[in-house]
Amino acid sequence: DAKTTQPPSMDCAEGRAANLPCNHSTISGNEYVYWYRQIHSQGPQYIIHGLKNNETNEMASLIITEDRKSSTLILPHATLRDTAVYYCIVRVANNYGQNFVFGPGTRLSVLP
Amino acid sequence: NAGVMQNPRHLVRRRGQEARLRCSPMKGHSHVYWYRQLPEEGLKFMVYLQKENIIDESGMPKERFSAEFPKEGPSILRIQQVVRGDSAAYFCASSPPGGPLADTQYFGPGTRLTVL
Repeated sequence: DAKTTQPPSMDCAEGRAANLPCNHSTISGNEYVYWYRQIHSQGPQYIIHGLKNNETNEMASLIITEDRKSSTLILPHATLRDTAVYYCIVRVANNYGQNFVFGPGTRLSVLP
Repeated sequence: NAGVMQNPRHLVRRRGQEARLRCSPMKGHSHVYWYRQLPEEGLKFMVYLQKENIIDESGMPKERFSAEFPKEGPSILRIQQVVRGDSAAYFCASSPPGGPLADTQYFGPGTRLTVL
């Protein structure tokens, strides 16, 4: 199973871009990179996912390196409400279904 | 389109009692997943179900825990004879049966179980 490595915490000034890195050096060719976040004690919220191309949606952008060994989630204009734990997950496919493995994530604090 | 619904949101049980946690997936979703989050820890996968079938229960404790997703009604996570170590937040997620977001899981607000 591919594992991910994220910094435990980061700070970002309100209104600035937040760039959250993730290393997944053992990712295999058919595994996707997913990003979720968990605000306080709420349920995790899906943000974005990608395979090898960069992706953008209304919430964020996902930049995946050409060798796919790392990626960066970009929140273009961080707000106080973006303070959360951000999880980078490589989807593990097994014989039965879709098992997501959550690591400790990055605790992002957006500061006024 | 209502999201994933879980109830109750908070549940208090005494040691030895049973806890039943319910999850209604998003409309049109036929895949349900249960996760547990202990205090100050990340989410741990427990079980993956489709209608009337358990597909993957590799994360379920071998004893006291069971899950079902009947043809009609919500998915149920049942914990018998609860112990203090069962105190945690239990999250349910659902995903659609196909399409571009077939692998994406959408989470409910969770049930916070406290065992006294």
